[in-house]
Amino acid sequence: NAGVTQTPKFQVLKTGQSMTLQCAQDMNHNSMYWYRQDPGMGLRLIYYSASEGTTDKGEVPNGYNVSRLNKREFSLRLESAAPSQTSVYFCASSEARGEKLFFGSGTQLSVL
Amino acid sequence: GQSLEQPSEVTAVEGAIVQINCTYQTSGFYGLSWYQQHDGGAPTFLSYNALDGLEETGRFSSFLSRSDSYGYLLLQELQMKDSASYFCAVRTPSNSGYALNFGKGTSLLVTP
Repeated sequence: NAGVTQTPKFQVLKTGQSMTLQCAQDMNHNSMYWYRQDPGMGLRLIYYSASEGTTDKGEVPNGYNVSRLNKREFSLRLESAAPSQTSVYFCASSEARGEKLFFGSGTQLSVL
Repeated sequence: GQSLEQPSEVTAVEGAIVQINCTYQTSGFYGLSWYQQHDGGAPTFLSYNALDGLEETGRFSSFLSRSDSYGYLLLQELQMKDSASYFCAVRTPSNSGYALNFGKGTSLLVTP
């Protein structure tokens, strides 16, 4: 019962470097999400994908790109990392109606 | 735009009852969810209300009033393990169907 799997769990980048956060779910869910969590700010939606082949911007999309590779996988790319992107990133998935989200264990990213 | 307001901190005694309120302002509304997050962990789903009224799941209950744009999470018979952050989230219409946006969270401390 893997659920939602995120890799890596920890990452340190230098300003300007790029990287891709990977997310995969094995629950056959249609919808997938990327959130970032900063102290005192709650969870803020970066991008989401309501179904395979579609993606939409959330509240804080600037500096990020996403790819819904197939129904299972939804990746988040930072093309040129900035210190403001230091955060904990959570991937989540849900059935199409989005009433209940299942979260991965998170990626702690530091940009120096 | 949209906003969700919830208290930042609440303290209660073991065995007591505590209520965490959430008010929201959104363009469009499908439902209100509650999630629990322990320190260092991932958010986990607690409840979802689409219609007015009270939903009960064990020691936890959630209430929604759509006309007042207001909901609350009620935790009964508090236990030490209930010390965590609690987030309300609204499900709203978006370009590809819907989005789920979270409040900043309420940190609940249960004391002996």
